[in-house]
Amino acid sequence: KAGVTQTPRYLIKTRGQQVTLSCSPISGHRSVSWYQQTPGQGLQFLFEYFSETQRNKGNFPGRFSGRQFSNSRSEMNVSTLELGDSALYLCASSLREGTETQYFGPGTRLLVL
Amino acid sequence: DAKTTQPPSMDCAEGRAANLPCNHSTISGNEYVYWYRQIHSQGPQYIIHGLKNNETNEMASLIITEDRKSSTLILPHATLRDTAVYYCIVRVADWGAGNMLTFGGGTRLMVKP
Repeated sequence: KAGVTQTPRYLIKTRGQQVTLSCSPISGHRSVSWYQQTPGQGLQFLFEYFSETQRNKGNFPGRFSGRQFSNSRSEMNVSTLELGDSALYLCASSLREGTETQYFGPGTRLLVL
Repeated sequence: DAKTTQPPSMDCAEGRAANLPCNHSTISGNEYVYWYRQIHSQGPQYIIHGLKNNETNEMASLIITEDRKSSTLILPHATLRDTAVYYCIVRVADWGAGNMLTFGGGTRLMVKP
């Protein structure tokens, strides 16, 4: 069974631009979560989607948004990029919410110049 | 979710057992202990989880104290490929509880030849 895939793997943007990252969960998984990882703040939860509904949201500004499609694929969008948004963005999927195991993708490394 | 405390770093000789401790003194009765690891620049990888009984799988063993206030992850025969940051996380794993994982700083395990 294929794992979680994230595209693109690497991205360079400039301040003020917006970016959309994509995550395809493991086949059959309906829950997708997003995390941001930076050297200073570590791994931080962004948001979680289940059956196209946002279930939880972390403490991030409104510039960070996401959505989930009927096939469980998810996208996250960051508008008006800031230098501090440079990070590794990780997506994790699980069968449903509240289950034991989440499987992480390889991440998208975003560099904002 | 309860907070966890882990040593920031540990060394282990290749071929020896690596014992990674975690303190979770405020854990609630319905919270599980999960372990993930993150090899440099990759997505976190699930290792094992448990509620109150000791658990073992092909990767590791998890020993939880009787009062559930601490646990130890054991890698029985550490290899160089086990060099990673290991995260101990406690969370509720029930339907409707959400899938948010709260990562702390983790333990950076260095396996040396």
